[in-house]
Amino acid sequence: EDKVVQSPLSLVVHEGDTVTLNCSYEVTNFRSLLWYKQEKKAPTFLFMLTSSGIEKKSGRLSSILDKKELFSILNITATQTGDSAIYLCAVADNYGQNFVFGPGTRLSVLP
Amino acid sequence: KAGVTQTPRYLIKTRGQQVTLSCSPISGHRSVSWYQQTPGQGLQFLFEYFSETQRNKGNFPGRFSGRQFSNSRSEMNVSTLELGDSALYLCASSLVQPQETQYFGPGTRLLVL
Repeated sequence: EDKVVQSPLSLVVHEGDTVTLNCSYEVTNFRSLLWYKQEKKAPTFLFMLTSSGIEKKSGRLSSILDKKELFSILNITATQTGDSAIYLCAVADNYGQNFVFGPGTRLSVLP
Repeated sequence: KAGVTQTPRYLIKTRGQQVTLSCSPISGHRSVSWYQQTPGQGLQFLFEYFSETQRNKGNFPGRFSGRQFSNSRSEMNVSTLELGDSALYLCASSLVQPQETQYFGPGTRLLVL
């Protein structure tokens, strides 16, 4: 059965800190890994990763995938209170129709 | 471009009733996926529709069903509601394949009493 594990489940930091969120997975016929940010309501898309070792970057956020070790990390530098959210990792198989989500990491950034 | 819309946004039902939720994808998007989100189980995949056909289904009982119309709008139905069906139901759309960038709607929060 496909599985996605995220760690830590909860994290509290202060503004300006750098955080690293982890996502490991077991999926048959891996196709892609996606990161989402969920604040109060619907998740919003951050990154989609399909190839190992290629960093994707958007402002203070970056992510990279290791398909050999079956994990991905999401880095947030110089955190701000607006980064407080649940960060979800999801993987899709090569058949293309199914997503499996991890439990999420709840990040709280204190002023 | 308008985002994914879901109606209603909030719903209260009692056990044994049935409910229909609606999702309108982003214009041009043909794939619509449904998810259930609860505090205990997280985000779980229900099913995905493309061109009016269900392409994949998650591990939910037959009380959960859905359909897609020719304009790509989708509905999901839950019959014989149980207390455990209380959740946030999210719909997401993408152009063709759900593993492409998915855009989520605001969700319908269902409370079963």
